[in-house]
Amino acid sequence: GAGVSQSPSNKVTEKGKDVELRCDPISGHTALYWYRQRLGQGLEFLIYFQGNSAPDKSGLPSDRFSAERTGESVSTLTIQRTQQEDSAVYLCASSLEASGGYREQFFGPGTRLTVL
Amino acid sequence: DQQVKQNSPSLSVQEGRISILNCDYTNSMFDYFLWYKKYPAEGPTFLISISSIKDKNEDGRFTVFLNKSAKHLSLHIVPSQPGDSAVYFCAATEGGGGNKLTFGTGTQLKVEL
Repeated sequence: GAGVSQSPSNKVTEKGKDVELRCDPISGHTALYWYRQRLGQGLEFLIYFQGNSAPDKSGLPSDRFSAERTGESVSTLTIQRTQQEDSAVYLCASSLEASGGYREQFFGPGTRLTVL
Repeated sequence: DQQVKQNSPSLSVQEGRISILNCDYTNSMFDYFLWYKKYPAEGPTFLISISSIKDKNEDGRFTVFLNKSAKHLSLHIVPSQPGDSAVYFCAATEGGGGNKLTFGTGTQLKVEL
């Protein structure tokens, strides 16, 4: 079956513009995560969705960042008024229900965001 | 504050030899540890994991060792193969934390012929 897909694969934007990144998780995966990897750093947790529960937004770096998920499918990560420090690869992952023990997270290929 | 640290940004090993990748952590609440492998332009893929109740887990050529008292884990690959050349990330998670992962900065492994 299809893996996690993300679009666009690359996005170049000007400082101050808004961007929207999309993630299509694996069908049947109720948990969805967003991470980002800035140059020379590890992956940094941003936000986590699990079914109908309130999302865990503890990793979002500022109120310019927000994310939504439609049911148990597509998620969009929106960055408003982009700054140069937002330049990174944004990775989405999905897994089966994450309660009661660790479930393997499957990652998409990422969206490389460059803010000029 | 980096809770998971990989102090070696790169490692070069000859084909057939053992590769040892190291990882240290500071958060004593972490109870599950993972290694992910990443090729350029692809997302990370899960390699092997270990629960904090164990000190060793083996899967084929890959073995992960956990030393809780030292807050240290290592990944051994033996024998190393050219296809193992990739970036390896150490990651950790807390039980009941929704499984959000805390990653290290990665080690670039190059296996030379």
